[in-house]
Order: sequence, then structure tokens, then C-alpha cells
Amino acid sequence: QKEVEQDPGPLSVPEGAIVSLNCTYSNSAFQYFMWYRQYSRKGPELLMYTYSSGNKEDGRFTAQVDKSSKYISLFIRDSQPSDSATYLCATEDTDKLIFGTGTRLQVFP
Amino acid sequence: ETGVTQSPTHLIKTRGQQVTLRCSSQSGHNTVSWYQQALGQGPQFIFQYYREEENGRGNFPPRFSGLQFPNYSSELNVNALELDDSALYLCASSSVKRHEQFFGPGTRLTVL
Repeated sequence: QKEVEQDPGPLSVPEGAIVSLNCTYSNSAFQYFMWYRQYSRKGPELLMYTYSSGNKEDGRFTAQVDKSSKYISLFIRDSQPSDSATYLCATEDTDKLIFGTGTRLQVFP
Repeated sequence: ETGVTQSPTHLIKTRGQQVTLRCSSQSGHNTVSWYQQALGQGPQFIFQYYREEENGRGNFPPRFSGLQFPNYSSELNVNALELDDSALYLCASSSVKRHEQFFGPGTRLTVL
């Protein structure tokens, strides 16, 4: 079993839609959960991180962690074509990041 | 504030050769981590450097080695290149908040 599992997609949605991206993880000891956005042929860009359970909001983006089910989510409201990218979830284990495979998102006008 | 920079952008090598990739960390960051990202996969942790010492290593063979310099910049060296080493190599820098890692644009290595 991989430590972080993520549906690779692709996910295709119309502009303005609410997008839900999800990951599961295996180790209940993980405490920090990150979401990165990666445009084609670029490095990952940190969107936000969450500590333990709960929600965190930043503009159109909301990150959610449910430690009881080992489930992490990223919601994007009012999605825009510029949101088209690969979204990577990650967790931190003794200073190293463990990533999911990434979900490719396409927002069409 | 200067972000993480990496050089070169692209590199083409042949099997058996050696390669050195370079990274300059973000201003104020003293920790550098290296990751390998194969096509269609998430980044995989290679190793991390803190205060010029290796501070953790992933599941990569010894032919992957690194250095960190007093100015916190870093190098990744790969010896005896194999075809499977073709990937995007990412450098990330961080400070005391090790979970907040900021990535550079990467070096795309192709091994023929």
C-alpha cells in the first residue's frame, strides 16, 4: 500500500464549477498535509498546508483533513481555466515530503 | 526575496555518464531537499541537507550523492547514469518549518 494515494484523473470541469480533489494516507502519525499545484513542465507551487484535522481556507481554495478516515481534500470554488494544472497532495514524515501521484485538472471555458 | 533557482534547465546525457545539478535556496532558508519526479508521478524524496550535512535519505542508491555549501546552495550528483534516471529533478528549500518546502523549477534530465 502506498503511503499517499491519489486518483490521477484527469478531471475535466466547466469554468465556474466546484472542484473536489482527494487523497488518502496510510499512517495515522502524519500531522502536516500539503497541497501543491504544478503547471506543465514547472516545479510544484505550495498552495496551502493544514496541521492535524480541520479546515483551512485561502481565497477560492479550502483544504480539509479528516484524520479519523485518513482522508484529505482540496476544494476549488468558482474554478477558472488558469486553475488547469496537476494538483499534488503531500504529507510530511521526519522532514521529508511524501507525495501522491497528482490529479490532472482541466477547466474548460 | 529570491526564490529557489536551479541549473541547468535541461540536460541530455548518455548512459554511464555522470551529471551535476545545482540549486540555490530561497533567501533565509537553511535546508535543501532533492526530489526526483518521473513522468506522471509525484516527486520522490532523494535526500535532504541541513548545515552541510545529509539529514535523511530516501530509497536511492549511493550513486546519488549531494553537497550543501556554506551559503546553503546545493548540488546533486548522479554517477553511472541509467535510462531510468530520466526525470525532472526538483530542489526544495525550507527553514525550521520543514513541512513548508518551496520548490525550484526543476532540471529535466534525459538519459539516452
